[in-house]
Amino acid sequence: ETGVTQTPRHLVMGMTNKKSLKCEQHLGHNAMYWYKQSAKKPLELMFVYSLEERVENNSVPSRFSPECPNSSHLFLHLHTLQPEDSALYLCASSRRTWRFADTQYFGPGTRLTVL
Amino acid sequence: AQKVTQAQTEISVVEKEDVTLDCVYETRDTTYYLFWYKQPPSGELVFLIRRNSFDEQNEISGRYSWNFQKSTSSFNFTITASQVVDSAVYFCALSGGGETSGSRLTFGEGTQLTVNP
Repeated sequence: ETGVTQTPRHLVMGMTNKKSLKCEQHLGHNAMYWYKQSAKKPLELMFVYSLEERVENNSVPSRFSPECPNSSHLFLHLHTLQPEDSALYLCASSRRTWRFADTQYFGPGTRLTVL
Repeated sequence: AQKVTQAQTEISVVEKEDVTLDCVYETRDTTYYLFWYKQPPSGELVFLIRRNSFDEQNEISGRYSWNFQKSTSSFNFTITASQVVDSAVYFCALSGGGETSGSRLTFGEGTQLTVNP
């Protein structure tokens, strides 16, 4: 596989469920990102990992828990979500570490619906 | 603070028409980068172009062209002879070049382009 992949592509979960979103980048990049895209809203940066260290957490509720076990993989663990958390969750990666501006390459996203 | 404004929420054209998507930005950084991304209905953001603040040369790639004007803080995107496959949401984005801002991207709200046959 090439580029940035995300699984699952679609997810429906109840408010009491626990699920995880997975992102994998095959580009040899050093920084990875989670974004949330809700209807009628701009993309919101949630978390940034640079060289496997979390460097940004944009006031995201604790019901979202990121994990970056290595430079190629990024997870977003979800628990006790709310219906307003329904959105498209996009993963991205960039070659240079977070400290330097660089092009971000995005995955196809996971469309999450919380019932 | 950085800001990107895409004033056109939706544009509808007929195939083969030329269309220009506007992007205006605000930043206090002297070094910065501008981007355009395309988001088709499948959801993935596809990178189209990156320009840095030092390079005001316009760029052309096939039917796509970009007009960067620092004097008006604009980075407009033109599609020539539009096709149905160009239908998507297009995002303009801005990144600072300083070490304090890192690779944080500030996105505009996007322009939904619909190309009708």
